[in-house]
Amino acid sequence: TQLLEQSPQFLSIQEGENLTVYCNSSSVFSSLQWYRQEPGEGPVLLVTVVTGGEVKKLKRLTFQFGDARKDSSLHITAAQPGDTGLYLCAGASNAGKSTFGDGTTLTVKP
Amino acid sequence: DTAVSQTPKYLVTQMGNDKSIKCEQNLGHDTMYWYKQDSKKFLKIMFSYNNKELIINETVPNRFSPKSPDKAHLNLHINSLELGDSAVYFCASSQDLTTAGELFFGEGSRLTVL
Repeated sequence: TQLLEQSPQFLSIQEGENLTVYCNSSSVFSSLQWYRQEPGEGPVLLVTVVTGGEVKKLKRLTFQFGDARKDSSLHITAAQPGDTGLYLCAGASNAGKSTFGDGTTLTVKP
Repeated sequence: DTAVSQTPKYLVTQMGNDKSIKCEQNLGHDTMYWYKQDSKKFLKIMFSYNNKELIINETVPNRFSPKSPDKAHLNLHINSLELGDSAVYFCASSQDLTTAGELFFGEGSRLTVL
């Protein structure tokens, strides 16, 4: 079974602070995705990373895929209350299956 | 237009009953999924269908029976509901199996079994 562990599980910060969320696994994935889920809604895809060492930026969010394609990080600069939500990483296999991490709940206080 | 829509959004029922959740996607995707999210927010795949064909059945009890009448629809029927079935069930789709990681989710159906 491929397991993805996220850390921290919970994070509560003030508006304007920076933060990093980690997603680690012992398995290699063909690609890795990050999603954000808000209460009462389904997860929304933020980014896909495919190549080891790849870095992608989405406004104040920076995503990195580890060189060995087993881990990833999400860095948010100058967090805003609108960034509040559950962040999920997911690793995709060639068999057409996504395995999700256990999630990081982020609260950004104004 | 909602891309992936599922109904109902809320289901409250007694143990032993049978219930169904319907899902439709208007994205033209080939592959659809059912995921279960437990109280700790952990998302676990249950089934996937590609062009109406079952691809993944992730050791889900036989009481759960998915049906895909066409590639735009994937329904989930649950027999003899148990307390442990209480969860949020998400339908999702991806363009095809090669893009299985890039999922578009519905809003979820919260099932409460009393």
